[in-house]
Amino acid sequence: QKEVEQNSGPLSVPEGAIASLNCTYSDRGSQSFFWYRQYSGKSPELIMFIYSNGDKEDGRFTAQLNKASQYVSLLIRDSQPSDSATYLCAVGPGYALNFGKGTSLLVTP
Amino acid sequence: DVKVTQSSRYLVKRTGEKVFLECVQDMDHENMFWYRQDPGLGLRLIYFSYDVKMKEKGDIPEGYSVSREKKERFSLILESASTNQTSMYLCASSGGDLVYEQYFGPGTRLTVT
Repeated sequence: QKEVEQNSGPLSVPEGAIASLNCTYSDRGSQSFFWYRQYSGKSPELIMFIYSNGDKEDGRFTAQLNKASQYVSLLIRDSQPSDSATYLCAVGPGYALNFGKGTSLLVTP
Repeated sequence: DVKVTQSSRYLVKRTGEKVFLECVQDMDHENMFWYRQDPGLGLRLIYFSYDVKMKEKGDIPEGYSVSREKKERFSLILESASTNQTSMYLCASSGGDLVYEQYFGPGTRLTVT
């Protein structure tokens, strides 16, 4: 079973702080890594993807990948209340992705 | 922008009925996927298709079938709906230059009574 593990949370951070979301995966053959944001009652929305070791930045979001440790993370800088959502980590060896169960993030004003 | 649409936002069906869920994407994507999402269980892959008339079983195909007669359309069929199929059903697509990046439709919340 190819597993993707995330802490379910909730992770609570104050507005303006950095939120750090973590994900580990079991399949060493994984090549593609994604972060989705899902608001309550809505469908997942792709916010970041990363394919190579290291960091990838897009606005307030940074994805970090360490294939040797089988670890991928998402940093959200200057967190806003509108960032409160569930964040899903997804990992793929191919077209079909394996999803974690998500981490609930709460940004408090 | 990728657009994935699903035929119904909410659906209520009776036990034993045959149920069709439709998904259409407008980006000429090769790959299409059906998931169900349940609290505590996360997103689980039911079926996916990487080409017209091609399909692959996902993690939980039992009780479901699929049809892909046209590239843009992928249908999920519940042959005889049961109460344990009450769930949120999500369709996604990927392809082209963004071959691994999946984009989701709005979802269909199905209730089987």
